[in-house]
Amino acid sequence: GENVEQHPSTLSVQEGDSAVIKCTYSDSASNYFPWYKQELGKGPQLIIDIRSNVGEKKDQRIAVTLNKTAKHFSLHITETQPEDSAVYFCAASRTSGTYKYIFGTGTRLKVLA
Amino acid sequence: DAGVIQSPRHEVTEMGQEVTLRCKPISGHNSLFWYRQTMMRGLELLIYFNNNVPIDDSGMPEDRFSAKMPNASFSTLKIQPSEPRDSAVYFCASSPPRGSPLHFGNGTRLTVT
Repeated sequence: GENVEQHPSTLSVQEGDSAVIKCTYSDSASNYFPWYKQELGKGPQLIIDIRSNVGEKKDQRIAVTLNKTAKHFSLHITETQPEDSAVYFCAASRTSGTYKYIFGTGTRLKVLA
Repeated sequence: DAGVIQSPRHEVTEMGQEVTLRCKPISGHNSLFWYRQTMMRGLELLIYFNNNVPIDDSGMPEDRFSAKMPNASFSTLKIQPSEPRDSAVYFCASSPPRGSPLHFGNGTRLTVT
């Protein structure tokens, strides 16, 4: 079945450094790739997404890159701050046919002050 | 917009009891998803509805689990009888048409003793 692999499972960075989280998906028909941030006691919240017709998208300190040929996509957070500490999930979905999000296993990011 | 509303936030019950989790999606969203989150298995899709109709319930663990969506503004996930291994956080999410991000509720933390 379809799956999404996410690495690393945990990541610690110093405040101000960059953090990179990588995902690989198996379903070549996937064409929508959102990233979610989950804080303690809350549901996942969308932070950025990318569609298959673009290779990169940026929103302030957050950027996502997509390589459809390799079926890889990555989240980049620059100038990390303590409030970036959370669990991050990637996901892959189709926008036609079977419509269900497949989530990665999550990355626990800790930003050290 | 009040977001996706789930109730209760916490549920503690004894093995063998019936448990009903409730969800109110965002008005206008036509897709609704139930996920289960555990440390071991991450975010698992249990079932999703489109226009109140169950489309894919292949993630429902077994016959003890059932879900309904009697109208566009309400869904339930029922476990009968409950078992300790059902202990997890259950999330409901809704979305507009395909290719749109999921909006999650804050989850129901279920503990079965």
